[in-house]
Amino acid sequence: SSELTQDPAVSVALGQTVKITCQGDILRKFHAAWYQQKPGQAPVFIIFGKDTRPSGIPDRFSGSNSGNPASLTITGAQAEDEADYYCQSRDSRGNHLVFGGGTKLTVL
Amino acid sequence: EVQLLESGGGLFQPGGSLRLSCVASGFNFNNHAMTWVRQTPGKGLEWVSGISDKSDNTYYGDSVKGRVTISRDDSNKTLFLQINSLGVEDTAIYYCAKGSGSNPMETYNWFDTWGQGTLVIVS
Repeated sequence: SSELTQDPAVSVALGQTVKITCQGDILRKFHAAWYQQKPGQAPVFIIFGKDTRPSGIPDRFSGSNSGNPASLTITGAQAEDEADYYCQSRDSRGNHLVFGGGTKLTVL
Repeated sequence: EVQLLESGGGLFQPGGSLRLSCVASGFNFNNHAMTWVRQTPGKGLEWVSGISDKSDNTYYGDSVKGRVTISRDDSNKTLFLQINSLGVEDTAIYYCAKGSGSNPMETYNWFDTWGQGTLVIVS
């Protein structure tokens, strides 16, 4: 399958831990990249695979190795983490990229 | 500072064509894959097209294949996207993004820098 499926919305209490998942058969072979997007802004890369993060992204964000589903975990969610989160990988054809539908995270 | 700046968006008529540009700065453009991703306002991200370093390989999403050409001018650090036979379904914000590797289809590749996007309206 070339599809990546995410829950449309997830909520978490301030300071608690939340896991956002991304389902897709291709994730058994390939890692997922995760992007954060806040309203009116461009996406921002936050993590690839389990722990490849760019500088400036807090280590409260962690990912998972290849496997289905892939997951993004935020340990100790902050108010500024409220955003849409998208997973991305290759598809099974090997010459297409695919994004999940996105998960809207609300921090209560 | 690594930056990407898109331009070329605007209002276009159905059936027409457009060419988007993305000027890069702050990194060695020659060595990196690049990609275009679009987003209909209020909706999710859709991958449109990608290109490897040296333009050896180009890739296209199913919804645009046959209507779109991606290209790059390494001497001017610019990425392009030509879209022909525009339809209302092409209305979106178009983002360019820099790949971490040399080919967007590499196993270990992600898009670590994104531009602010350019809005295309087809109406």
